[in-house]
Amino acid sequence: DAKTTQPNSMESNEEEPVHLPCNHSTISGTDYIHWYRQLPSQGPEYVIHGLTSNVNNRMASLAIAEDRKSSTLILHRATLRDAAVYYCILRALNTGTASKLTFGTGTRLQVTL
Amino acid sequence: GAGVSQSPRYKVAKRGQDVALRCDPISGHVSLFWYQQALGQGPEFLTYFQNEAQLDKSGLPSDRFFAERPEGSVSTLKIQRTQQEDSAVYLCASSLAGVGPRIKETQYFGPGTRLLVL
Repeated sequence: DAKTTQPNSMESNEEEPVHLPCNHSTISGTDYIHWYRQLPSQGPEYVIHGLTSNVNNRMASLAIAEDRKSSTLILHRATLRDAAVYYCILRALNTGTASKLTFGTGTRLQVTL
Repeated sequence: GAGVSQSPRYKVAKRGQDVALRCDPISGHVSLFWYQQALGQGPEFLTYFQNEAQLDKSGLPSDRFFAERPEGSVSTLKIQRTQQEDSAVYLCASSLAGVGPRIKETQYFGPGTRLLVL
């Protein structure tokens, strides 16, 4: 699987936007970029995914570089409930069985008042 | 609706004991995954089921680890003769995905079972 690189930790003030970067320079043409997050003492949860175009949903936005070698997860207004570890994961489009998730160490986001 | 549930939430075992961890996936979900998460690390894949068939067990760390899903719904992860290095959070996830091309296979995770081996 292609590898992703994320900063170990980031801090943000509440109500401010947060940009979480992810580098994936060896991404292949059929790899989708997925983001999951893990709140304290919980299992990971899906946030967003994309292939080439920027994506928005109720939780976040995903900005994908034109060369697809990096992407940024954007939380428009961070709240205390967004404090979590955020994982950037590449997933290949499969025509067979479901694919496992390959997590790195992620970025631990701290949100302060 | 009901999400993925796991039991027990916490388990303390003495070294050498056998343990069984249960996962109840979301009803109708074809795929089921087990992951192991050591302290301060991201989850690591252990094994994968499609219905009752175990299609990938490449992540199981040793033959002391065994997983089953006999009726294609509930799954059990069993660890025999537990060792201290088995201490971790064991996460179960399920997804709708079955055979065929898929673009998105969102995995829904349970809260995990925290295993401590003394």
